[in-house]
Amino acid sequence: EVQLVQSGAEVKKPGESLKISCKGSGYIFTNNWIAWVRQMPGKGLEWMGSIYPSDSDTRYSPSFQGQVTITFDMSITTAYLQWSSLKASDTAIYYCARRVPFGSDNWLDPWGQGTLVTVSS
Amino acid sequence: DIQMTQSPSSLSASVGDRVSITCRASESISTYLNWYQQKPGRAPKVLIYSASNLQSGVPSRFSGSGSGTDFTLTISNLQPEDFATYYCQQSYSTFKYTFGQGTKLEIK
Repeated sequence: EVQLVQSGAEVKKPGESLKISCKGSGYIFTNNWIAWVRQMPGKGLEWMGSIYPSDSDTRYSPSFQGQVTITFDMSITTAYLQWSSLKASDTAIYYCARRVPFGSDNWLDPWGQGTLVTVSS
Repeated sequence: DIQMTQSPSSLSASVGDRVSITCRASESISTYLNWYQQKPGRAPKVLIYSASNLQSGVPSRFSGSGSGTDFTLTISNLQPEDFATYYCQQSYSTFKYTFGQGTKLEIK
């Protein structure tokens, strides 16, 4: 079974750093882009960026460029999303998802279970 | 960036009803359109990919249609487990994915 399992919920203070993880299993991890998606409380879905584990090619949404860093550790088939200085507005659920290619098209499947990040003083 | 607009934002229906949700792209995206279902406290799940292809394991009461800028998700014979929020997503710009704002389907 293809699975993405994310790290647990985090509570942080503004200005703190954070790294959350997304571990893949059940498929060849290096062959598919991994995307990160934000969902703010009661809101919709926003694509943040994607990484290709095979060569670490990383693309960011302009809205998140410079605000977060996406990395990958091939030895443990795990992708990461990190912040160097959190803000209260970073409070959200963060999902990772595998990009499935289909000819020239693609979609996101499966999704991790989500990691709730709460930033509060 | 390509903007995706869903309508309606919310919808009330009864078990057994047939409902449709529309999604409009700000420019032509051919059939590069996916539909996701999200239940409260759960991650999104793909239902339809490439506008009209049913994901494996998804009930056949779900169907998708459209191309260019206008797309529709139709659910026939609504079941209790279908009450959720639905999102469209364009995959035309792979590294600029955008989602619709969501449609919340509630029980009447």
